Amino acid sequence: GDSVTQMEGPVTLSEEAFLTINCTYTATGYPSLFWYVQYPGEGLQLLLKATKADDKGSNKGFEATYRKETTSFHLEKGSVQVSDSAVYFCALSPTQGGYQKVTFGIGTKLQVIP
Amino acid sequence: GAVVSQHPSRVICKSGTSVKIECRSLDFQATTMFWYRQFPKQSLMLMATSNEGSKATYEQGVEKDKFLINHASLTLSTLTVTSAHPEDSSFYICSAPSGVTAGANVLTFGAGSRLTVL
Repeated sequence: GDSVTQMEGPVTLSEEAFLTINCTYTATGYPSLFWYVQYPGEGLQLLLKATKADDKGSNKGFEATYRKETTSFHLEKGSVQVSDSAVYFCALSPTQGGYQKVTFGIGTKLQVIP
Repeated sequence: GAVVSQHPSRVICKSGTSVKIECRSLDFQATTMFWYRQFPKQSLMLMATSNEGSKATYEQGVEKDKFLINHASLTLSTLTVTSAHPEDSSFYICSAPSGVTAGANVLTFGAGSRLTVL
Protein backbone atom coordinates (compact mmCIF):
# COMPACT_ATOMS: atom_id res chain seq x y z
CA GLY A 1 0.00 0.00 0.00
CA ASP A 2 0.90 3.65 -0.09
CA SER A 3 3.15 5.04 2.62
CA VAL A 4 4.89 8.24 3.62
CA THR A 5 8.11 8.31 5.62
CA GLN A 6 8.97 11.52 7.34
CA MET A 7 11.91 12.47 9.50
CA GLU A 8 11.11 12.34 13.17
CA GLY A 9 11.37 15.48 15.21
CA PRO A 10 11.39 17.55 17.05
CA VAL A 11 13.48 19.96 15.04
CA THR A 12 14.72 22.99 16.93
CA LEU A 13 16.14 25.92 14.98
CA SER A 14 17.11 29.46 15.70
CA GLU A 15 15.21 32.22 13.96
CA GLU A 16 16.46 32.87 10.40
CA ALA A 17 18.02 29.41 10.13
CA PHE A 18 17.54 27.21 7.05
CA LEU A 19 14.95 24.46 7.34
CA THR A 20 14.78 21.07 5.67
CA ILE A 21 12.27 18.39 6.62
CA ASN A 22 12.76 15.18 4.69
CA CYS A 23 9.89 13.18 3.22
CA THR A 24 9.92 10.09 1.02
CA TYR A 25 7.00 8.10 -0.25
CA THR A 26 5.98 4.76 -1.67
CA ALA A 27 3.05 4.65 -4.05
CA THR A 28 1.94 3.20 -7.33
CA GLY A 29 1.44 5.48 -10.28
CA TYR A 30 1.77 9.22 -9.93
CA PRO A 31 0.38 10.48 -6.65
CA SER A 32 -0.16 14.09 -5.68
CA LEU A 33 2.05 15.21 -2.83
CA PHE A 34 1.24 17.64 -0.04
CA TRP A 35 2.62 19.36 2.98
CA TYR A 36 0.14 20.21 5.70
CA VAL A 37 0.86 22.36 8.75
CA GLN A 38 -0.80 22.08 12.16
CA TYR A 39 -0.44 24.96 14.57
CA PRO A 40 -0.92 24.26 18.29
CA GLY A 41 -4.52 23.41 19.12
CA GLU A 42 -5.69 23.64 15.52
CA GLY A 43 -6.54 21.35 12.64
CA LEU A 44 -4.39 20.81 9.59
CA GLN A 45 -3.99 23.44 6.90
CA LEU A 46 -2.73 22.80 3.41
CA LEU A 47 0.67 24.46 3.05
CA LEU A 48 1.63 23.46 -0.48
CA LYS A 49 1.18 20.74 -3.06
CA ALA A 50 2.62 19.29 -6.24
CA THR A 51 0.88 17.04 -8.71
CA LYS A 52 3.57 15.76 -11.07
CA ALA A 53 7.27 15.08 -11.29
CA ASP A 54 9.54 18.14 -11.06
CA ASP A 55 6.67 20.36 -9.91
CA LYS A 56 7.62 22.78 -7.18
CA GLY A 57 5.01 23.72 -4.63
CA SER A 58 5.53 26.94 -2.72
CA ASN A 59 3.74 29.04 -0.14
CA LYS A 60 4.72 31.46 2.66
CA GLY A 61 8.40 31.01 1.84
CA PHE A 62 8.22 27.22 2.00
CA GLU A 63 9.09 25.11 -1.02
CA ALA A 64 9.07 21.43 -1.93
CA THR A 65 9.95 19.76 -5.23
CA TYR A 66 8.34 16.53 -6.43
CA ARG A 67 11.28 14.22 -7.16
CA LYS A 68 10.06 11.02 -8.76
CA GLU A 69 13.53 9.55 -9.23
CA THR A 70 14.15 9.67 -5.48
CA THR A 71 10.46 9.45 -4.49
CA SER A 72 10.94 12.47 -2.27
CA PHE A 73 9.19 15.72 -1.43
CA HIS A 74 11.44 17.51 1.04
CA LEU A 75 10.20 20.72 2.62
CA GLU A 76 12.55 23.72 2.73
CA LYS A 77 12.53 27.29 3.91
CA GLY A 78 15.43 29.67 3.71
CA SER A 79 14.81 31.63 6.87
CA VAL A 80 12.41 30.38 9.53
CA GLN A 81 10.50 32.57 11.96
CA VAL A 82 9.14 31.91 15.42
CA SER A 83 5.65 31.90 13.90
CA ASP A 84 6.62 28.85 11.81
CA SER A 85 6.66 26.71 14.94
CA ALA A 86 4.16 23.94 14.24
CA VAL A 87 3.87 20.30 13.22
CA TYR A 88 4.40 19.60 9.53
CA PHE A 89 2.84 16.58 7.82
CA CYS A 90 3.87 15.17 4.47
CA ALA A 91 1.06 13.41 2.65
CA LEU A 92 0.11 11.81 -0.64
CA SER A 93 -3.06 11.21 -2.54
CA PRO A 94 -3.54 8.91 -5.53
CA THR A 95 -4.56 10.88 -8.56
CA GLN A 96 -6.83 8.71 -10.64
CA GLY A 97 -9.85 10.92 -11.03
CA GLY A 98 -12.38 11.31 -8.29
CA TYR A 99 -11.34 11.43 -4.67
CA GLN A 100 -9.03 9.03 -2.85
CA LYS A 101 -7.92 8.78 0.73
CA VAL A 102 -4.87 10.73 1.81
CA THR A 103 -1.93 8.96 3.47
CA PHE A 104 -0.06 11.03 6.08
CA GLY A 105 3.42 10.85 7.47
CA ILE A 106 4.01 10.86 11.20
CA GLY A 107 4.50 14.62 11.38
CA THR A 108 7.60 16.62 12.29
CA LYS A 109 7.42 19.15 15.06
CA LEU A 110 9.36 22.33 14.37
CA GLN A 111 10.29 24.69 17.16
CA VAL A 112 11.87 28.00 16.25
CA ILE A 113 13.56 29.90 19.05
CA PRO A 114 14.27 33.64 18.96
CA GLY B 1 -11.91 29.24 0.18
CA ALA B 2 -13.51 26.09 1.45
CA VAL B 3 -14.20 25.99 5.17
CA VAL B 4 -15.00 23.07 7.45
CA SER B 5 -16.40 23.89 10.87
CA GLN B 6 -16.01 21.42 13.70
CA HIS B 7 -17.83 21.70 17.02
CA PRO B 8 -17.17 21.57 19.91
CA SER B 9 -13.50 22.42 19.93
CA ARG B 10 -13.11 21.09 23.46
CA VAL B 11 -15.31 18.82 25.52
CA ILE B 12 -14.88 17.22 28.90
CA CYS B 13 -17.22 14.45 29.94
CA LYS B 14 -17.62 11.81 32.59
CA SER B 15 -16.83 8.19 31.91
CA GLY B 16 -19.85 6.30 30.57
CA THR B 17 -21.48 9.26 28.85
CA SER B 18 -21.76 9.87 25.11
CA VAL B 19 -20.34 12.81 23.24
CA LYS B 20 -21.32 14.10 19.81
CA ILE B 21 -18.94 16.00 17.53
CA GLU B 22 -20.22 17.84 14.49
CA CYS B 23 -18.43 18.52 11.24
CA ARG B 24 -19.95 20.97 8.77
CA SER B 25 -18.85 22.06 5.33
CA LEU B 26 -19.81 25.74 5.28
CA ASP B 27 -19.58 26.76 1.67
CA PHE B 28 -19.52 23.54 -0.29
CA GLN B 29 -21.24 20.19 -0.32
CA ALA B 30 -19.49 17.09 0.87
CA THR B 31 -20.92 13.68 0.06
CA THR B 32 -17.91 12.21 1.80
CA MET B 33 -16.19 13.23 5.00
CA PHE B 34 -13.32 11.64 6.87
CA TRP B 35 -12.86 11.25 10.60
CA TYR B 36 -9.40 10.97 12.11
CA ARG B 37 -8.01 10.44 15.54
CA GLN B 38 -4.71 11.94 16.53
CA PHE B 39 -2.72 10.60 19.44
CA PRO B 40 -0.05 12.74 21.11
CA LYS B 41 3.12 12.92 19.02
CA GLN B 42 1.60 10.72 16.32
CA SER B 43 0.10 11.14 12.91
CA LEU B 44 -3.53 11.15 12.01
CA MET B 45 -5.21 7.80 12.07
CA LEU B 46 -8.12 7.49 9.69
CA MET B 47 -11.05 6.09 11.64
CA ALA B 48 -13.84 6.06 9.11
CA THR B 49 -15.25 7.49 5.93
CA SER B 50 -18.64 9.09 6.29
CA ASN B 51 -20.95 8.82 3.30
CA GLU B 52 -24.04 10.92 2.84
CA GLY B 53 -27.10 8.72 2.55
CA SER B 54 -25.36 5.46 3.37
CA LYS B 55 -23.43 3.70 6.10
CA ALA B 56 -20.00 4.83 7.10
CA THR B 57 -16.98 2.76 6.18
CA TYR B 58 -14.78 1.98 9.17
CA GLU B 59 -11.08 1.25 9.13
CA GLN B 60 -9.79 -1.99 10.52
CA GLY B 61 -9.71 -2.03 14.29
CA VAL B 62 -12.20 0.80 14.77
CA GLU B 63 -15.33 -0.21 16.67
CA LYS B 64 -18.37 0.94 14.74
CA ASP B 65 -20.62 0.58 17.79
CA LYS B 66 -18.26 2.73 19.80
CA PHE B 67 -17.83 5.47 17.24
CA LEU B 68 -21.18 6.13 15.61
CA ILE B 69 -21.09 8.17 12.43
CA ASN B 70 -24.06 9.78 10.78
CA HIS B 71 -23.92 11.80 7.58
CA ALA B 72 -27.28 13.51 7.77
CA SER B 73 -26.95 15.90 4.88
CA LEU B 74 -24.56 17.10 2.22
CA THR B 75 -23.00 19.51 4.70
CA LEU B 76 -23.10 17.70 8.04
CA SER B 77 -21.45 14.61 9.49
CA THR B 78 -21.47 13.70 13.17
CA LEU B 79 -19.26 11.43 15.23
CA THR B 80 -20.71 10.14 18.49
CA VAL B 81 -18.37 8.53 20.98
CA THR B 82 -20.64 6.22 22.95
CA SER B 83 -20.04 5.23 26.57
CA ALA B 84 -16.79 7.14 26.58
CA HIS B 85 -13.88 6.00 28.69
CA PRO B 86 -10.60 7.70 29.54
CA GLU B 87 -8.80 5.81 26.78
CA ASP B 88 -11.08 7.55 24.27
CA SER B 89 -9.54 10.88 25.22
CA SER B 90 -7.94 12.21 22.09
CA PHE B 91 -7.97 14.88 19.39
CA TYR B 92 -10.57 14.10 16.73
CA ILE B 93 -10.39 15.82 13.35
CA CYS B 94 -12.72 15.73 10.38
CA SER B 95 -12.03 16.59 6.79
CA ALA B 96 -13.89 16.86 3.53
CA PRO B 97 -12.79 16.84 -0.09
CA SER B 98 -13.17 20.40 -1.22
CA GLY B 99 -12.46 19.87 -4.87
CA VAL B 100 -9.70 19.30 -7.34
CA THR B 101 -7.16 22.10 -7.54
CA ALA B 102 -4.52 21.98 -10.25
CA GLY B 103 -5.02 18.25 -10.61
CA ALA B 104 -4.74 17.50 -6.91
CA ASN B 105 -7.52 16.24 -4.69
CA VAL B 106 -7.60 18.74 -1.84
CA LEU B 107 -8.84 18.04 1.66
CA THR B 108 -10.12 20.78 3.93
CA PHE B 109 -9.82 20.04 7.63
CA GLY B 110 -11.83 21.10 10.60
CA ALA B 111 -9.99 22.64 13.53
CA GLY B 112 -10.37 19.50 15.60
CA SER B 113 -12.14 18.53 18.82
CA ARG B 114 -10.23 17.78 22.00
CA LEU B 115 -12.12 15.14 24.01
CA THR B 116 -11.19 14.53 27.62
CA VAL B 117 -12.96 11.74 29.46
CA LEU B 118 -12.67 11.85 33.22
